Formats: sequence, C-alpha cells, structure tokens
Amino acid sequence: AQSVTQLDSQVPVFEEAPVELRCNYSSSVSVYLFWYVQYPNQGLQLLLKYLSGSTLVKGINGFEAEFNKSQTSFHLRKPSVHISDTAEYFCAVTLSGGYQKVTFGTGTKLQVIP
Amino acid sequence: KAGVTQTPRYLIKTRGQQVTLSCSPISGHRSVSWYQQTPGQGLQFLFEYFSETQRNKGNFPGRFSGRQFSNSRSEMNVSTLELGDSALYLCASSPTVSAQGETQYFGPGTRLLVL
Repeated sequence: AQSVTQLDSQVPVFEEAPVELRCNYSSSVSVYLFWYVQYPNQGLQLLLKYLSGSTLVKGINGFEAEFNKSQTSFHLRKPSVHISDTAEYFCAVTLSGGYQKVTFGTGTKLQVIP
Repeated sequence: KAGVTQTPRYLIKTRGQQVTLSCSPISGHRSVSWYQQTPGQGLQFLFEYFSETQRNKGNFPGRFSGRQFSNSRSEMNVSTLELGDSALYLCASSPTVSAQGETQYFGPGTRLLVL
C-alpha cells in the first residue's frame, strides 16, 4: 500500500520569501501525485498533479512541484509567497490503474508573515 | 457548473445517535469519495462510489456506511455515534474513479460534533 509523509506540520515564512513544502511517498509501483490546498473553512482544491511526462509540474497561483523518483519526493515550491497563500497544503498519492484509493498526507500549514 | 454541495453544513449529535450526511456531486461526475478530516490526522479515506457501486473502502468500522444513487448523489451514514467521530466530513467528486489520476473536486464539508 502507498503512503505519504509530510514532515513539516507548520511552516512560517515571510511575505515575498520563497517556500518549499516537503512531501515523500512510498510505493514500489507507478504513482500519481497531487498537491491540494485548503483555505480556512473551505474544502480542498487542486494546486497541481503529476501523472507522467515532465517531472516539473506547474500549477495555479505560481506554485510548482518536482517529481523525483529516485528520492520518492514531490516537493512543492513557490519563489515568492503572498499573504493570501496562508492555508493548509496536502500532498496525496494514488497507484496508477485499477480502483486504488487516494492517500493524503497529514498536511502542512503555511503561515505567511507580513 | 455548480460545485459539490454537502448538507447539512453543521451537525450536533449525542453519543449513540446516528447521522446521515448528503453529497451532491458536480453535474456529470460519477465518482464520489468520502473523507474524514481531523486535526493532526489529515484526511482519512472512508469510501468511494462509482456508478452506484462501492469501489474502495478505508479502514473504518462497520458503523460507517454509504450509498450512491442513480443520479450520482451520495449519502454516508454513521450509526451509534462516538465522541471520536467528531470531525469534518468531506465529499469529493470526479468524472471517473479517482485512481485514474482524476482531479477530485471537494465540497465545503459537514462539521459533525458529537457530545
């Protein structure tokens, strides 16, 4: 079975500074990887996803992530954060093919400091 | 298109009672997944329905059940509520099964408090 680890439960960062949110997964087979964002009192929405092809994936709101198969990582990055990026970010993984469930990490709260 | 809607948005129940939550997916979406979200635990997968059939189930006791109707609307039921069932229950829809790399579209959730 697949699993996802988000080591950082909270990440404080100053406005306009860069940020990286870490995500590691465990699976011995092909996977699909996702990053979702949850703003306060809202459901989750997709930031970006990796299915195949280029390992650098660009998403909405200036976020990007890089799939690294050898390190089983899918870290999320943004070169300059804004106050409005304050939210909780979830990494998720599913095995490709069949009726496999989507497994979410425990989330990382990004706090942007003015 | 209208987004995923969940009703009710808030619920307060007492231990031992049962509760039914409803989810209406985006029009045309045939898959509905349910998750339980609690602080520190992230999202725990409950089950996924596609074309009225349960396709996958998480590690929850049998007190948690669900169903999907022919119009893709879904309900989940929790019987004999326990204090630990207090959580935000999220519903997500996608055009086909989520394991095929489909984006899941989440509703705002139902916040359940068990006293």
